[in-house]
Amino acid sequence: GAVVSQHPSWVICKSGTSVKIECRSLDFQATTMFWYRQFPKQSLMLMATSNEGSKATYEQGVEKDKFLINHASLTLSTLTVTSAHPEDSSFYICSASYDRAGNTIYFGEGSWLTVV
Amino acid sequence: AQSVAQPEDQVNVAEGNPLTVKCTYSVSGNPYLFWYVQYPNRGLQFLLKYITGDNLVKGSYGFEAEFNKSQTSFHLKKPSALVSDSALYFCAVSRLVGNTPLVFGKGTRLSVIA
Repeated sequence: GAVVSQHPSWVICKSGTSVKIECRSLDFQATTMFWYRQFPKQSLMLMATSNEGSKATYEQGVEKDKFLINHASLTLSTLTVTSAHPEDSSFYICSASYDRAGNTIYFGEGSWLTVV
Repeated sequence: AQSVAQPEDQVNVAEGNPLTVKCTYSVSGNPYLFWYVQYPNRGLQFLLKYITGDNLVKGSYGFEAEFNKSQTSFHLKKPSALVSDSALYFCAVSRLVGNTPLVFGKGTRLSVIA
């Protein structure tokens, strides 16, 4: 079964509203989680590295105020897309490291966001 | 439903030797295939992708992969391994048509020994 769970799998929201996506590590504590997005027919792009108890590290070109990442506990990281617009429609996926050395990585099932 | 199998948890190769990291997939319809690399505590880095066209795809850092439809495989290769290639490698697949999620293999750890 899944060791990293993402919720929701599919979400449709109205333009201008905010939507939160959760990434949970099941049965293990993840000090580091990663958030990615994928546009249709393109490769996955790293958005940010989420560290438990500290601020996320964002990749160049990713708006920190738009994509809020919170990693409040060792088993949960959340990505909030604020004031969503249709161009934010995308596939978002998280991954979590099982151990501190990053030797084992698990991926969530992904979340489809459609902004209408 | 799509699935990806990376049959080897670990691959060891001597520096300078050719390397192969295996990947087989299952998908209905035409596949959209990727290879990614992850270094410890870093995010995924894109290596290469196959959509259509030439079965041999060339990517970053001298890596290439060969799409074999009859064997449903997309093995990653490099003619001459470097110690710096040591990392975790992920194969991923999605359907070419439609909004389907990317499905990842469990990863293969590559160790290149000097």
